[in-house]
Amino acid sequence: KQEVTQIPAALSVPEGENLVLNCSFTDSAIYNLQWFRQDPGKGLTSLLLIQSSQREQTSGRLNASLDKSSGRSTLYIAASQPGDSATYLCAVNNKAAGNKLTFGGGTRVLVKP
Amino acid sequence: EAGVAQSPRYKIIEKRQSVAFWCNPISGHATLYWYQQILGQGPKLLIQFQNNGVVDDSQLPKDRFSAERLKGVDSTLKIQPAKLEDSAVYLCASSSLLRTASRREAFFGQGTRLTVV
Repeated sequence: KQEVTQIPAALSVPEGENLVLNCSFTDSAIYNLQWFRQDPGKGLTSLLLIQSSQREQTSGRLNASLDKSSGRSTLYIAASQPGDSATYLCAVNNKAAGNKLTFGGGTRVLVKP
Repeated sequence: EAGVAQSPRYKIIEKRQSVAFWCNPISGHATLYWYQQILGQGPKLLIQFQNNGVVDDSQLPKDRFSAERLKGVDSTLKIQPAKLEDSAVYLCASSSLLRTASRREAFFGQGTRLTVV
């Protein structure tokens, strides 16, 4: 059974500092891994999707890496801004379960001005 | 491309009442998911459909929750009777089933916030 863990559960940084968010998973047989952003009371916004054959994916200030063999992904957000304050969730798409998405518990980020 | 549509956005009901949520996935997406997200936690899969068949409903409390996907398109999730612990955000998502991994990206609706009092 796939288990996804995100550490830390909460993170507070001053504006301008780089953010590093971690995601680990137990079963490396995945199709892809997605990072999402969730604002309070809102749905999920997809940030980045990394295919199982890729090692990283970039979009603007965001960079996500994937090490499938060790079951880890890291989301880097450069030069954080107060608008980056949100909860960040990772989810893996499991091969064994036919397109099943398993989520971590999320990291709640606060960027202080 | 239109996104995943969900309604209603908010619902407040008393315990023991019933409630239904509706989801319209992205056109052509074979896979549809319903997730329950309790405050402060990650989403938990309730049920996954492939076209109009159920792939996984192992975490669906079947004594009170039911879901259907009509003609492999729209879906409804029902709770009857509701309990206080059902207060959560209910998220619907859809994804394509093409062989290339990138096409398995999941797209989420805005969710329905349910409060049971």
